Amino acid sequence: DGGITQSPKYLFRKEGQNVTLSCEQNLNHDAMYWYRQDPGQGLRLIYYSQIVNDFQKGDIAEGYSVSREKKESFPLTVTSAQKNPTAFYLCASSPRPRTGLNQPQHFGDGTRLSIL
Amino acid sequence: GENVEQHPSTLSVQEGDSAVIKCTYSDSASNYFPWYKQELGKRPQLIIDIRSNVGEKKDQRIAVTLNKTAKHFSLHITETQPEDSAVYFCAASKEGTGRRALTFGSGTRLQVQP
Repeated sequence: DGGITQSPKYLFRKEGQNVTLSCEQNLNHDAMYWYRQDPGQGLRLIYYSQIVNDFQKGDIAEGYSVSREKKESFPLTVTSAQKNPTAFYLCASSPRPRTGLNQPQHFGDGTRLSIL
Repeated sequence: GENVEQHPSTLSVQEGDSAVIKCTYSDSASNYFPWYKQELGKRPQLIIDIRSNVGEKKDQRIAVTLNKTAKHFSLHITETQPEDSAVYFCAASKEGTGRRALTFGSGTRLQVQP
């Protein structure tokens, strides 16, 4: 979906370095998510945010941090504490549930992170 | 937490044949089940979803069935075409709760042979 923009497309991290992945959406969605995808595996949830200034840990949050200061933006920082950061990172967003029903998540094009 | 298992991991069919991918979930409270298609190097795209108040949903050549009692759901693709070749992911979540994030299966690589 053109409404979710992830940058950069490729990113290289040096030993001991923190790097930040950008995710911006212009879909006016309330919720945003970060997933990690390893080769041959499904997507695993890192962090999610259902509203501005609030976020929750997902299943594999260790070594990552996020912020949600604006509705449109949900950057992910991969810290030096994440010892195996090489993966494909996908950002997603979804609208507020309607009458309690979840709305589909829409994904960005992803950022591929590698270690130098 | 929720656990979603997906089978098979790879599936090869002849063009025109049907393909079936199966998923099981562990949390009986899960009630929303989308399916995503991901082509190589691209973003996952939603192709169909089903909620627990229905047992089957169809959209042209694609259908999804849900068995709440057995906690499994399946994707059916009929009259497969080469452009159906991709990785397919099932997922589950609970609507009406704090966590709306999806738990994904490990994916099925579908190859349609022309």
